[in-house]
Amino acid sequence: NAGVTQTPKFQVLKTGQSMTLQCAQDMNHEYMSWYRQDPGMGLRLIHYSVGAGITDQGEVPNGYNVSRSTTEDFPLRLLSAAPSQTSVYFCASSFRRGVQYNEQFFGPGTRLTVL
Amino acid sequence: DAKTTQPPSMDCAEGRAANLPCNHSTISGNEYVYWYRQIHSQGPQYIIHGLKNNETNEMASLIITEDRKSSTLILPHATLRDTAVYYCIVSNAINQAGSALIFGKGTTLSVSS
Repeated sequence: NAGVTQTPKFQVLKTGQSMTLQCAQDMNHEYMSWYRQDPGMGLRLIHYSVGAGITDQGEVPNGYNVSRSTTEDFPLRLLSAAPSQTSVYFCASSFRRGVQYNEQFFGPGTRLTVL
Repeated sequence: DAKTTQPPSMDCAEGRAANLPCNHSTISGNEYVYWYRQIHSQGPQYIIHGLKNNETNEMASLIITEDRKSSTLILPHATLRDTAVYYCIVSNAINQAGSALIFGKGTTLSVSS
């Protein structure tokens, strides 16, 4: 298993540009999520999904869109990049054991700079 | 989600036990204690979690006080590869989708030879 993979590893954007951060997992996990980590700070939840076709907002969703057309993929779209979105973005996945969600597996991250 | 308090940094000699404390005095009854670590800006890595009983796995042990207001993560024989930022998190994520794992600033553990 490759686990959780993210592309690209690094990206530089200009203000106003749009782009999609890719996230894929090959563990057949129902739950996937996106976090951002700003320098010297912890992670904050952007969006999450409990299965294909189902997404919901986390604590910092503004400026980002997500979709979940397959179990494997959970792309994060930046609609119009702003310098405040300069951050490291982590994708994570998890599965349910019975009624409980198991621990989350994180990808290696995408380092985004918006000029 | 409840907040946690951790020391900003700790040192440990290689081969010795590393005991990382965490205070979570406002934890609610349905919240679990999770520990993750992040090695040099890689993605966070799950270590262990528990509700009220002590837990042990191949990586670490988790000791939770009886009143659940604090806990200690124990790495029994620290190695240089255990140098990382360790996050103590209280969350109901195990039961509730979208219940975010709130990562604070964590404890930077430095293991030296």
